Amino acid sequence: QKEVEQNSGPLSVPEGAIASLNCTYSDRGSQSFFWYRQYSGKSPELIMSIYSNGDKEDGRFTAQLNKASQYVSLLIRDSQPSDSATYLCAVNMNSGYSTLTFGKGTMLLVSP
Amino acid sequence: DVKVTQSSRYLVKRTGEKVFLECVQDMDHENMFWYRQDPGLGLRLIYFSYDVKMKEKGDIPEGYSVSREKKERFSLILESASTNQTSMYLCASLKGLAGGLAVFGPGTRLTVL
Repeated sequence: QKEVEQNSGPLSVPEGAIASLNCTYSDRGSQSFFWYRQYSGKSPELIMSIYSNGDKEDGRFTAQLNKASQYVSLLIRDSQPSDSATYLCAVNMNSGYSTLTFGKGTMLLVSP
Repeated sequence: DVKVTQSSRYLVKRTGEKVFLECVQDMDHENMFWYRQDPGLGLRLIYFSYDVKMKEKGDIPEGYSVSREKKERFSLILESASTNQTSMYLCASLKGLAGGLAVFGPGTRLTVL
């Protein structure tokens, strides 16, 4: 069974802090990695994608990928209360199709 | 503004009924997906389609079927609804390979009594 693992949380951080969200995946042949944000009662929305080892920055968000360790992370700098949501890690496993396998998500709570 | 729409936000059905959930996208995407989302279980793939009339089973296809007669429309069918199919159903579409943007619909909260 190909899996994506995330700590369910909640991860609680104060406003202005750095939030660090982690994800591991089982399929070593995976090529594409994504972070989705899901507010309560809403559908997921893509916030970051990463395909090669290293860091990718977009505004306050940085995605980090280490394929050797099969590890993906998302850093959120200067966390805001509006960042409070569930963050889903998704991986395109080496299946030949454009399917995504999702982790169960980490709930982030940013307190003012 | 690109969009994925689902036929209903909330639906209540009786055990044994045949249920149709419809998803429409206006982005000319090749790939469309049906997921269900349950507390503690996350998003699980039911079925997907990579082209018109093509379908593939996901991780939990039992009790479901799908239809894709037109590129923009992907239907999920519960042949005989059961209480364990009470869930949030999310449709998504994606252009090309997974390197593209996957867009989700608003979801349908289905309750089977």
